[in-house]
Amino acid sequence: GAVVSQHPSWVICKSGTSVKIECRSLDFQATTMFWYRQFPKQSLMLMATSNEGSKATYEQGVEKDKFLINHASLTLSTLTVTSAHPEDSSFYICSARDERGGDYNEQFFGPGTRLTVL
Amino acid sequence: EDKVVQSPLSLVVHEGDTVTLNCSYEVTNFRSLLWYKQEKKAPTFLFMLTSSGIEKKSGRLSSILDKKELFSILNITATQTGDSAIYLCAVKNYGQNFVFGPGTRLSVLP
Repeated sequence: GAVVSQHPSWVICKSGTSVKIECRSLDFQATTMFWYRQFPKQSLMLMATSNEGSKATYEQGVEKDKFLINHASLTLSTLTVTSAHPEDSSFYICSARDERGGDYNEQFFGPGTRLTVL
Repeated sequence: EDKVVQSPLSLVVHEGDTVTLNCSYEVTNFRSLLWYKQEKKAPTFLFMLTSSGIEKKSGRLSSILDKKELFSILNITATQTGDSAIYLCAVKNYGQNFVFGPGTRLSVLP
């Protein structure tokens, strides 16, 4: 089956620093990847849709200058949290869409990255 | 605005019980409904439903979709402690976006 990896799986950083999270589709090409954020005991909140070779589409209320998304290839999307603050501490999950379609799961999740900003 | 509602939000049962989780939706250009199980990390895929009335089964789990009434249910029979998780319902439209419900937190006690 399709595999999506995320790196790092967890990161602790100081307030004001920037953190980059990578999302890779390992055995399929993904023109579209999604970035979600999840607070404790809450559901996934879509932050942005990442499209290979073009600008990401951000959801309402998500600051694009703070959460920089780059989808440079068909297997890699990155999310950079710039000038991180404690309120950015969260669980960040990416998913990659499998274009094969049919009666098939179309969205494969990475394992997530837990970000803690001190 | 697209919306997915799940109920109950929280449920506590004992091993061996049967549970039914509900998911209703209001989505333009509906394409499919997906169920996921989330334990400590990212969600894992359970079912994808696109047609009304066709039950999908996997072991003790089963799910069905009603596109007329705009809802789906996820049944778990003979629950086990390992079924304790958050169950997420997501709906996909032809715009290719996924809209997630709030999830149902299921706790199965021994």
